[in-house]
Amino acid sequence: GAGVSQSPSNKVTEKGKDVELRCDPISGHTALYWYRQSLGQGLEFLIYFQGNSAPDKSGLPSDRFSAERTGGSVSTLTIQRTQQEDSAVYLCASSRDRAEDTQYFGPGTRLTVL
Amino acid sequence: AQRVTQPEKLLSVFKGAPVELKCNYSYSGSPELFWYVQYSRQRLQLLLRHISRESIKGFTADLNKGETSFHLKKPFAQEEDSAMYYCALAGGADGLTFGKGTHLIIQP
Repeated sequence: GAGVSQSPSNKVTEKGKDVELRCDPISGHTALYWYRQSLGQGLEFLIYFQGNSAPDKSGLPSDRFSAERTGGSVSTLTIQRTQQEDSAVYLCASSRDRAEDTQYFGPGTRLTVL
Repeated sequence: AQRVTQPEKLLSVFKGAPVELKCNYSYSGSPELFWYVQYSRQRLQLLLRHISRESIKGFTADLNKGETSFHLKKPFAQEEDSAMYYCALAGGADGLTFGKGTHLIIQP
């Protein structure tokens, strides 16, 4: 079946612009995760959704970052007023039910802020 | 706070030699540990998890709670094992906590 998909695959934007990244999880997976992969920082957990709700948003790097999930499926990660330090690969993953289940990763969105 | 440490950024071994990628963790509860692998130009994927006690592609990992370690081992490395390897811990309701990764290079 189809795996986790993300769009766009690449995004180049100018500093100060807003960007929206999309994740389409595996059908039937209730848990959805966003991570950031950057040089020197490795893989950093950002936020987790169980259904449509995110119990803990403290992993988001700043208040410029927000995420939502509607209908228990697609999720969007929005970064407002982008900064150069936001440049990274943003990965989405989904799992059947909880964090301890195997997580299946998408191909990522490479964000470059000029 | 939970933490995963992979002390080696880069590990280079010859084909046919044994491989050990180190992983240590810090977690107050009962951890669930994973090894994920990312081959060149492919997405991150699960290699193995400690609760299944499987051997995948010849790799094994044993959870040592006394040493808080979950080292990944393979007796005879193959060139196709070259990749980035990430140790990860699941604890609580959050996502995975990853180590910074080890780049494994298998030389012919």
